[in-house]
Amino acid sequence: DADVTQTPRNRITKTGKRIMLECSQTKGHDRMYWYRQDPGLGLRLIYYSFDVKDINKGEISDGYSVSRQAQAKFSLSLESAIPNQTALYFCATSDLALEREGTDTQYFGPGTRLTVL
Amino acid sequence: LAKTTQPISMDSYEGQEVNITCSHNNIATNDYITWYQQFPSQGPRFIIQGYKTKVTNEVASLFIPADRKSSTLSLPRVSLSDTAVYYCLVGGRYSSASKIIFGSGTRLSIRP
Repeated sequence: DADVTQTPRNRITKTGKRIMLECSQTKGHDRMYWYRQDPGLGLRLIYYSFDVKDINKGEISDGYSVSRQAQAKFSLSLESAIPNQTALYFCATSDLALEREGTDTQYFGPGTRLTVL
Repeated sequence: LAKTTQPISMDSYEGQEVNITCSHNNIATNDYITWYQQFPSQGPRFIIQGYKTKVTNEVASLFIPADRKSSTLSLPRVSLSDTAVYYCLVGGRYSSASKIIFGSGTRLSIRP
């Protein structure tokens, strides 16, 4: 979805380096998410934020931190990257208030392919 | 936590109808069933959501039996471009995001 952008799209780094992945959205959604996907596997939730002052850990938050700088921006940091953090990272947004019923639809960015050597 | 079980992979041919079943035996009363589609190197995309019986949109149909312990995503007359991974998710309107899990999905391959 072009309304959700991620930078960089590709990044190669070395073990021990600090890395920040950025996500921006123009959809005006309150909720933002960071997922990780390993080859051949599904998505695993790292962190999520339901508004600027709300940050929650997901299934695999160890080794990661996040910052919700504004409603439209949600950054993921790897303080000291390690090789097993090599993966495809997706940001997503949603807004429950837009749904008359059911759960909120998540809109995903194009992904960031991160390689840690 | 409503865990889902789907086939790891399926194969079909162009023009066929494809049905992918998802089991969710411990679905809660307030849970909805949602399906996403993911193409290689792209993020998942919402396909359809339902609570009970049948839901249809321009892309697919979703069949949910009365006991709601399973659901079936039906793709009519598939084409090569339907080759993707399909995820079944279960969760309530106010479920914690950490409880709505994508899992490994079903890898659908369509052949000419």
